[in-house]
Amino acid sequence: KAGVTQTPRYLIKTRGQQVTLSCSPISGHRSVSWYQQTPGQGLQFLFEYFSETQRNKGNFPGRFSGRQFSNSRSEMNVSTLELGDSALYLCASSLGQATNVLTFGAGSRLTVL
Amino acid sequence: AQKVTQAQTEISVVEKEDVTLDCVYETRDTTYYLFWYKQPPSGELVFLIRRNSFDEQNEISGRYSWNFQKSTSSFNFTITASQVVDSAVYFCALREQAGTALIFGKGTTLSVSS
Repeated sequence: KAGVTQTPRYLIKTRGQQVTLSCSPISGHRSVSWYQQTPGQGLQFLFEYFSETQRNKGNFPGRFSGRQFSNSRSEMNVSTLELGDSALYLCASSLGQATNVLTFGAGSRLTVL
Repeated sequence: AQKVTQAQTEISVVEKEDVTLDCVYETRDTTYYLFWYKQPPSGELVFLIRRNSFDEQNEISGRYSWNFQKSTSSFNFTITASQVVDSAVYFCALREQAGTALIFGKGTTLSVSS
């Protein structure tokens, strides 16, 4: 059974650019969540999509956005990159209930120069 | 508001020592779920255990055991006879019944030397 796949694994951008990260969930999982991990702030929730609808959103500026497609694959976009956006971005998928376990991907490591 | 505290930032032990990782949580919900995840150097978060708020039974899985105490809002994790492969960052997390987000603690970095 394939796990959660995130692409790209590593990328380097410069300030002001934008970036799109992709996440393919486990087959049958309809919920995809995104988390940002930094040394200072730890793991922080960005947003969650379920059946193509954003169901929950964390406390991040509007530069962070996402979407989910009909096949449950998800993308997140960060516009006008800032140095502080350098982080490991983790995607997780689940069946969508509070009791369900989140299965995480290996992450996309973004470096902003 | 919900919160997870892992007071131990780093722990270093020698192989075969037992080690306990502490986790204290805060929530106003009566129904919630607690999780432990392991993050090896590769970066992927690996699920270890889930516990429901209404199930205070402790659990043992091989060298791993978990002690859930609602009275003290704690969900501690013990590794018995630690091994070098246990070296990783361990995260405790909380999710409320009505929420979809996992609230993570800051993590505890465990280093096991041979």
